[in-house]
Amino acid sequence: AQTVTQSQPEMSVQEAETVTLSCTYDTSESDYYLFWYKQPPSRQMILVIRQEAYKQQNATENRFSVNFQKAAKSFSLKISDSQLGDAAMYFCAYIRNQGGKLIFGQGTELSVKP
Amino acid sequence: DAGVIQSPRHEVTEMGQEVTLRCKPISGHDYLFWYRQTMMRGLELLIYFNNNVPIDDSGMPEDRFSAKMPNASFSTLKIQPSEPRDSAVYFCASSLATPTNQPQHFGDGTRLSIL
Repeated sequence: AQTVTQSQPEMSVQEAETVTLSCTYDTSESDYYLFWYKQPPSRQMILVIRQEAYKQQNATENRFSVNFQKAAKSFSLKISDSQLGDAAMYFCAYIRNQGGKLIFGQGTELSVKP
Repeated sequence: DAGVIQSPRHEVTEMGQEVTLRCKPISGHDYLFWYRQTMMRGLELLIYFNNNVPIDDSGMPEDRFSAKMPNASFSTLKIQPSEPRDSAVYFCASSLATPTNQPQHFGDGTRLSIL
């Protein structure tokens, strides 16, 4: 069975600095997708970034980028120039290419210090 | 376009009562998902539909839980009878076509408290 692990329950970063959130996953599939979702206090789940496993190039979205290491089954999220609005719970998620369940990690709560 | 709309936003009821959560997916989305979020178990997929047909309900915890999607623009998640351990935030999400290459869009969730 596929699993997603976020080993950092909480992280903190100073405003304007860079922070990296870790995520590892376990799967026997070779074709799949990985996501980072953000959940602010408002509760809404917001897609931050997506990575296709068949792509070697790391995905980037403005200040957000990932470090995708397929062999190591690692998918970390880097937030550059952190802003107060980045404070939220961040979830890593996996889905295999054949579809089915989106499997979430336990989440990392990020706080941003002014 | 309007996002996924869930109602109610909050629900407080006594154990034993029937609870109905509602969801309106984004127009044109073929897939609809129901999730439950708790501190202990995180985010869990309960059930998902494709073109109004339930595809995988293996995450539904018990027979007390049921979900329907009578048409493309409406779905319900019902708990009968409700128990305190059902207290959680329930999310509905929808996606266009295959959920692998199309992201899931989440509603704001329903915070359910069973007393």
